[in-house]
Amino acid sequence: ILNVEQSPQSLHVQEGDSTNFTCSFPSSNFYALHWYRWETAKSPEALFVMTLNGDEKKKGRISATLNTKEGYSYLYIKGSQPEDSATYLCAYRNYGQNFVFGPGTRLSVLP
Amino acid sequence: GAVVSQHPSRVICKSGTSVKIECRSLDFQATTMFWYRQFPKQSLMLMATSNEGSKATYEQGVEKDKFLINHASLTLSTLTVTSAHPEDSSFYICSATTSGSYNEQFFGPGTRLTVL
Repeated sequence: ILNVEQSPQSLHVQEGDSTNFTCSFPSSNFYALHWYRWETAKSPEALFVMTLNGDEKKKGRISATLNTKEGYSYLYIKGSQPEDSATYLCAYRNYGQNFVFGPGTRLSVLP
Repeated sequence: GAVVSQHPSRVICKSGTSVKIECRSLDFQATTMFWYRQFPKQSLMLMATSNEGSKATYEQGVEKDKFLINHASLTLSTLTVTSAHPEDSSFYICSATTSGSYNEQFFGPGTRLTVL
């Protein structure tokens, strides 16, 4: 059974704070790692797809890094805003191709 | 961006009835659609993968006769929960992929099913 973990489960930060959270996944047979943002009552929105060890991706104030050898990815948010409040999901894919999702990190940004 | 709709967004039904959930890709042709189920405070769990015109592939532990999946066209897949029971109450969400490298998934907004 493939296990994808995310930590913390939830966190609250003040507006303007920077924050980061972790996705851990099996390091063997790695194919890709996806990050999604899921706002309440909306569809999960794709943020990044990462494939190579050492990859760094950036989209505005959000960035992500990938370490496939040790099996983790970090998502960073710089200068958090209330609109960043959402659940952030990571999904691991191996060469079997199916997505295995982590349980998500619920972020609340307080104004 | 690619848009996926899901209908209904919320359904409440009596035990023993069947419920159909539709998943549509609105502005692209989806080679593959996925159906997920999410229990409270847990991950999205893949139930089945469907390709247009062929039988769905179910994950281990998912009852094929309970969760009927039809993928009639490149833009529509349906999930029918047959003879629903309270333990089927859950959040069901679909996604669709296009052809191309790494096959990014585009998600619908999900359906909250409550079986009384």
